[in-house]
Amino acid sequence: GNSVTQMEGPVTLSEEAFLTINCTYTATGYPSLFWYVQYPGEGLQLLLKATKADDKGSNKGFEATYRKETTSFHLEKGSVQVSDSAVYFCALPANQAGTALIFGKGTTLSVSS
Amino acid sequence: NAGVTQTPKFRVLKTGQSMTLLCAQDMNHEYMYWYRQDPGMGLRLIHYSVGEGTTAKGEVPDGYNVSRLKKQNFLLGLESAAPSQTSVYFCASSYYSGQDLSYEQYFGPGTRLTVT
Repeated sequence: GNSVTQMEGPVTLSEEAFLTINCTYTATGYPSLFWYVQYPGEGLQLLLKATKADDKGSNKGFEATYRKETTSFHLEKGSVQVSDSAVYFCALPANQAGTALIFGKGTTLSVSS
Repeated sequence: NAGVTQTPKFRVLKTGQSMTLLCAQDMNHEYMYWYRQDPGMGLRLIHYSVGEGTTAKGEVPDGYNVSRLKKQNFLLGLESAAPSQTSVYFCASSYYSGQDLSYEQYFGPGTRLTVT
């Protein structure tokens, strides 16, 4: 089956700093790739996705580009805010049937003012 | 439109007790999932269902059972709780957008279970 590796946290940044969270994957074929975010005390919600190679997903100032050459889907934001403090998960389908997702272990981001 | 709801939000059990967690979705999704979240482990899939009356095992199914008698509900049962089952449990549901093989999972707010 497919697998995903995500950089360990926690990541601590000051407001307006640049953010990168690394995510690499192994997969059969070219599955869709996802970033989910979990705010304190809540369930996960979709942040962005990319469905094919070279696609760029974007939302709320976050971006990630589907790189098949490096099998990566790194999350970036140019200027983080305190409200971005959360846990971020990279995910992809567990197999080609696409009936379930597998998630990375999550990266905790803390942003201070 | 409530999305995905979970009942209860918190529960404390003694070792050996049983309980059922209820998940309900009002989005007419075919697929439903149960995950557990533990520190440093991310989310791990317990069981899932691709339609009413069908269930399948995920990564960590031991000690749990599930049922999907109605499309909108997915129940997770613990027959004899153990301290190792102390965790936060999340339910999710999804549609399947066939053409591009992508789909989004919608998550409930979670149930925090402590087994003493």
